Amino acid sequence: DIQMTQSPSSMSVSLGDTVTITCRASQDVGIYVNWFQQKPGKSPRRMIYRATNLADGVPSRFSGSRSGSDYSLTISSLESEDVADYHCLQYDEYPPTFGAGTKLELK
Amino acid sequence: EVQLQESGPGLVKPSQSLSLTCSVTGYSITSNYWGWIRKFPGNKMEWMGYISYSGSTSYNPSLKSRISITRDTSKNQFFLQLNSVTTEDTATYYCAKEGGAYWGQGVMVTVPS
Repeated sequence: DIQMTQSPSSMSVSLGDTVTITCRASQDVGIYVNWFQQKPGKSPRRMIYRATNLADGVPSRFSGSRSGSDYSLTISSLESEDVADYHCLQYDEYPPTFGAGTKLELK
Repeated sequence: EVQLQESGPGLVKPSQSLSLTCSVTGYSITSNYWGWIRKFPGNKMEWMGYISYSGSTSYNPSLKSRISITRDTSKNQFFLQLNSVTTEDTATYYCAKEGGAYWGQGVMVTVPS
């Protein structure tokens, strides 16, 4: 299976920060990476699809990028509603595999 | 609007089968792919498998001998069966549409020791 190594596992953040979360794929997965946000007691919400595309209704402060096998989710000017868990997912090769997750916490 | 909703027991005894239903409204399951994903305590997520628009299935090899995904197109529902459960199958189970644009609210399933 393709491994998605996600970092950091947790991050202490302040409102207004720019936050970057990264997943490194163990082999080429092309553009087939999605990013999900999940809040306690809620189902995951797709934020980014195909590495760089903003999902419907997602604020423009979220962005996705790719550099080789590294995929990043960036949140510019963090707002309180962005404090959540985030997971990447590769679906280029079956089985699709998730990163281990990043937990954002307010300082 | 596409909506998915899981249903099923929240407690399953060890060695028994876990059976869940995903009811879909706003979109026909005879289009696209429909999957099951679970989230373990501690945050790890695992893609379990999918059923396609044609009824074909694909399963995570880690589960292949224990999992079955089926559907009832007349009710626009698809189903998960996981056999011989252990405490390691304790998780929140989600159904989702291909690509993860739509998810159910999740059902927490506990397998007690």
